[in-house]
Amino acid sequence: NAGVMQNPRHLVRRRGQEARLRCSPMKGHSHVYWYRQLPEEGLKFMVYLQKENIIDESGMPKERFSAEFPKEGPSILRIQQVVRGDSAAYFCASSPSFEGSIQYFGAGTRLSVL
Amino acid sequence: DAKTTQPTSMDCAEGRAANLPCNHSTISGNEYVYWYRQIHSQGPQYIIHGLKNNETNEMASLIITEDRKSSTLILPHATLRDTAVYYCIVDGNQGGKLIFGQGTELSVKP
Repeated sequence: NAGVMQNPRHLVRRRGQEARLRCSPMKGHSHVYWYRQLPEEGLKFMVYLQKENIIDESGMPKERFSAEFPKEGPSILRIQQVVRGDSAAYFCASSPSFEGSIQYFGAGTRLSVL
Repeated sequence: DAKTTQPTSMDCAEGRAANLPCNHSTISGNEYVYWYRQIHSQGPQYIIHGLKNNETNEMASLIITEDRKSSTLILPHATLRDTAVYYCIVDGNQGGKLIFGQGTELSVKP
């Protein structure tokens, strides 16, 4: 049973470009979460999605960031017009609907903005 | 904001038990205590959780005080691969976001 898959593992963008981060949850998991970890800081929740629905986006910056989890395919975290402050590790987690707060994390995508 | 307080760092000798404390004095009756860890540059990993009874699995044991205001994660025989940041999280167990504090950086030394 494959774990949570994130790609790419490393992404380099220049200021003003778009970044697309992908997350394939574990098989059978319908809940996806995105977290961000800035350099030398803790993990911060960004957004929680179920298939085709955003459940909680209280941690998402109001501008430039968006997330989706379509009926088919991976969840996508999209950052438009990236700035240097967006450089961070972005982690995706998934859970089934019946395991409370146990979340299974991917290895992360490390975004570097030049 | 995190509802827990943990020491910033701890050391443990390889092969000895690592006891990581966590204070959660404002925990409410329906909230669970969860432990995760993050090995350097990797994604967080679930370890164990509990409500009021002590719990044990293949990774660790969780001891929760009777008043539930604090708990201790025990790694019975720490190895170098247990070096990581350990996060204690209080959560209502309904799914949804996890709130990570600063955690305890555990260094297991040979």
